[in-house]
Amino acid sequence: AQKVTQAQTEISVVEKEDVTLDCVYETRDTTYYLFWYKQPPSGELVFLIRRNSFDEQNEISGRYSWNFQKSTSSFNFTITASQVVDSAVYFCALSADNAGNMLTFGGGTRLMVKP
Amino acid sequence: GAVVSQHPSWVICKSGTSVKIECRSLDFQATTMFWYRQFPKQSLMLMATSNEGSKATYEQGVEKDKFLINHASLTLSTLTVTSAHPEDSSFYICSVIGGVMAEAFFGQGTRLTVV
Repeated sequence: AQKVTQAQTEISVVEKEDVTLDCVYETRDTTYYLFWYKQPPSGELVFLIRRNSFDEQNEISGRYSWNFQKSTSSFNFTITASQVVDSAVYFCALSADNAGNMLTFGGGTRLMVKP
Repeated sequence: GAVVSQHPSWVICKSGTSVKIECRSLDFQATTMFWYRQFPKQSLMLMATSNEGSKATYEQGVEKDKFLINHASLTLSTLTVTSAHPEDSSFYICSVIGGVMAEAFFGQGTRLTVV
């Protein structure tokens, strides 16, 4: 069975601070895919990143960066110089396939960035 | 523009009535769509996999007779919550796999409130 754990339910930071959202996963599959989604108050899910289990390279996209560590089964997400618009719920998710069929979501982390 | 359109965005219904939620794939044909449910301040849980032209596949604990899924065309899947009860109040969101990168696109979600 697959499981995704986001230990931080809520994080509050002040604008311009860096913040890291933790994600730990469990799976018996040797090939799997990890995702991060952003859910703003409006509710829709915004795709942020997809990473396969064979690619442990860290990725940076603007103020966002991701650290995939297979040894600790973690896929953490860092926002540098946070902004108020980053306030949302962030979900880490796991799928056995590349496309994101039948995603297993973590509990989500609510990030509040205060001005 | 939107890739997946979900309708309605929100609905309030009386206990005992049925509610139909539509999920339309706007940009590509989808033989498979997914329905997720999100209770307040909780994560998204996969309810069922909607298969075009055949029966849906339900996750454990999801009543197939209560949550009727119809996927009659390659661009439309409907979820009908029958005999709705207050405990069915939730955020229902669908996803479609598609695009050049074969990724999951989510609808805007439907917030159902049963009174």
